[in-house]
Amino acid sequence: DQQVKQNSPSLSVQEGRISILNCDYTNSMFDYFLWYKKYPAEGPTFLISISSIKDKNEDGRFTVFLNKSAKHLSLHIVPSQPGDSAVYFCAARGWSGGATNKLIFGTGTLLAVQP
Amino acid sequence: DSGVTQTPKHLITATGQRVTLRCSPRSGDLSVYWYQQSLDQGLQFLIQYYNGEERAKGNILERFSAQQFPDLHSELNLSSLELGDSALYFCASSVVASILNTGELFFGEGSRLTVL
Repeated sequence: DQQVKQNSPSLSVQEGRISILNCDYTNSMFDYFLWYKKYPAEGPTFLISISSIKDKNEDGRFTVFLNKSAKHLSLHIVPSQPGDSAVYFCAARGWSGGATNKLIFGTGTLLAVQP
Repeated sequence: DSGVTQTPKHLITATGQRVTLRCSPRSGDLSVYWYQQSLDQGLQFLIQYYNGEERAKGNILERFSAQQFPDLHSELNLSSLELGDSALYFCASSVVASILNTGELFFGEGSRLTVL
């Protein structure tokens, strides 16, 4: 049972345009959602997060939108740059008060930004 | 550089063998998490240790075990290896979990295990 789903394995966009990466989840108890970026031969690095009580969080070129009723979040990158080419993972935390930041990850979306 | 150190970076071994992966968390982090990434799969949570004690368990096989030592480094032991155990194994660390923080994990670069 996959609680966090990224249905698009890959996405290709032109430099300067908007990249939109999508993520769906099933567990309404998730309290934080995070996006990670991963380059080949490196570990995932944190990009941006959003609390379940918010619907938008922005950090420079990156904005995450959360639609709780649809159990859907998206990451917008504007403008896209070739250096953004990487695998993007959506992740969620289900807070249980038990001193754990265990994250549930999606399968990732490979973003290719064409010059 | 996340501050999380994993060794070895690459490991090739045969079926039936046993290997140990090592992780040193960021300075000050008490929690260590282990994740497995197989081909075309997301990161699957295996197990978490907090200050030496097991705190959360995921889809970890009985052939796998982990521990966290007093100096907070952790080891993941994989035994009776099968071809399907070939994967990237990531270690991550975090500050003390709190409803007030974002849940961010800091990942190492991973250990790539190939079982032949």
